[in-house]
Amino acid sequence: AQSVAQPEDQVNVAEGNPLTVKCTYSVSGNPYLFWYVQYPNRGLQFLLKYITGDNLVKGSYGFEAEFNKSQTSFHLKKPSALVSDSALYFCAVRASTNAGNNRKLIWGLGTSLAVNP
Amino acid sequence: ETGVTQTPRHLVMGMTNKKSLKCEQHLGHNAMYWYKQSAKKPLELMFVYSLEERVENNSVPSRFSPECPNSSHLFLHLHTLQPEDSALYLCASSQEAYRAAYNEQFFGPGTRLTVL
Repeated sequence: AQSVAQPEDQVNVAEGNPLTVKCTYSVSGNPYLFWYVQYPNRGLQFLLKYITGDNLVKGSYGFEAEFNKSQTSFHLKKPSALVSDSALYFCAVRASTNAGNNRKLIWGLGTSLAVNP
Repeated sequence: ETGVTQTPRHLVMGMTNKKSLKCEQHLGHNAMYWYKQSAKKPLELMFVYSLEERVENNSVPSRFSPECPNSSHLFLHLHTLQPEDSALYLCASSQEAYRAAYNEQFFGPGTRLTVL
């Protein structure tokens, strides 16, 4: 069965420090992986995705994520956190085989990131 | 901001009311989605329309009825809802193509629904 795990409900980091939000996945075949961010009272915004190629993916607002096939992980990172990065972050995965239930995007529960001034 | 708008932003309704949620996308996409977001639960996909045809209906109770009159508009008709249906309802759109499961979805701001 396909699944996504975000093992941390909440991550706290001081402004200026690096941040990591973790995501692991389980999917049949090769994955397409996504990160989205949700600010309070807003919908989800796309940050970045991994399809194929370079394992390090760069996205919006200075975020990047590293695809690790052996560890089935896709952790979100930023070298220097801002207070404005405080939000809810969602990881999602989809199987690359575009058939039946593999079309469905599988979502993690979300990780709340708090960046303290 | 994302090219997907939703109205109303907030809705309070009684269990016997009938209301509709509206979504409009200005991105030229060919697929639209309804999601339910509840606290402490994964994002729940309710319905998918691709090229105006419903392609997924994930065991959603019949008190939720979707309508997609064209590729830019999506409605969710609500009737005789239950208090447990209170949640944030999100609309999204994407450009879908055969064997192209890697396109991201663009979300609207959501409708915060409260059922009394």
